[in-house]
Amino acid sequence: DQQVKQNSPSLSVQEGRISILNCDYTNSMFDYFLWYKKYPAEGPTFLISISSIKDKNEDGRFTVFLNKSAKHLSLHIVPSQPGDSAVYFCAASAIRTDSWGKFQFGAGTQVVVTP
Amino acid sequence: DVKVTQSSRYLVKRTGEKVFLECVQDMDHENMFWYRQDPGLGLRLIYFSYDVKMKEKGDIPEGYSVSREKKERFSLILESASTNQTSMYLCASSFIRPEETQYFGPGTRLLVL
Repeated sequence: DQQVKQNSPSLSVQEGRISILNCDYTNSMFDYFLWYKKYPAEGPTFLISISSIKDKNEDGRFTVFLNKSAKHLSLHIVPSQPGDSAVYFCAASAIRTDSWGKFQFGAGTQVVVTP
Repeated sequence: DVKVTQSSRYLVKRTGEKVFLECVQDMDHENMFWYRQDPGLGLRLIYFSYDVKMKEKGDIPEGYSVSREKKERFSLILESASTNQTSMYLCASSFIRPEETQYFGPGTRLLVL
């Protein structure tokens, strides 16, 4: 049973607008969350992270919001650019309790940014 | 610049064949991982290793084994390939702390006929 869910398999957004990607998780022990970005024929690359002690983390055009009570996080990309067209994976881990820090990944959301 | 390389980009094998997927990293990372990526399922951890000759099962280890004889190299072995092992296989590496970023290779697309 998937513990991390990305319910939108795809998202189309116009260049310059905001992209909002959503991720839900079921395991209340998760305390560390990541977003990865994947282009075709390449491996995923790290984008941004957030610890459960925070509810927001920002890095340039990318902001991740965490709502622990709802077990929900979202990634905002503002403004969206054509180079942002990729698959985005959400991942979660219980690093305080799982000594190996294994990550559970969502199924991914394909983002297409149109001119 | 971190580099994780995988021995093949595409591989076609027959059912029952033994398959070796090789992964090499050049960043002296302690941890190495093997995932498979399937549509609608995301990345699922098969095995990982935190040191030479050490391994731990991930979420879907059945039908797979691994080998880590040197720190920089982590091999995934399909003892007897089956059609349900057709997938994209991704290798990753990271430093030892669990919150450390994992760096991924480009992936091997395996087709088992």
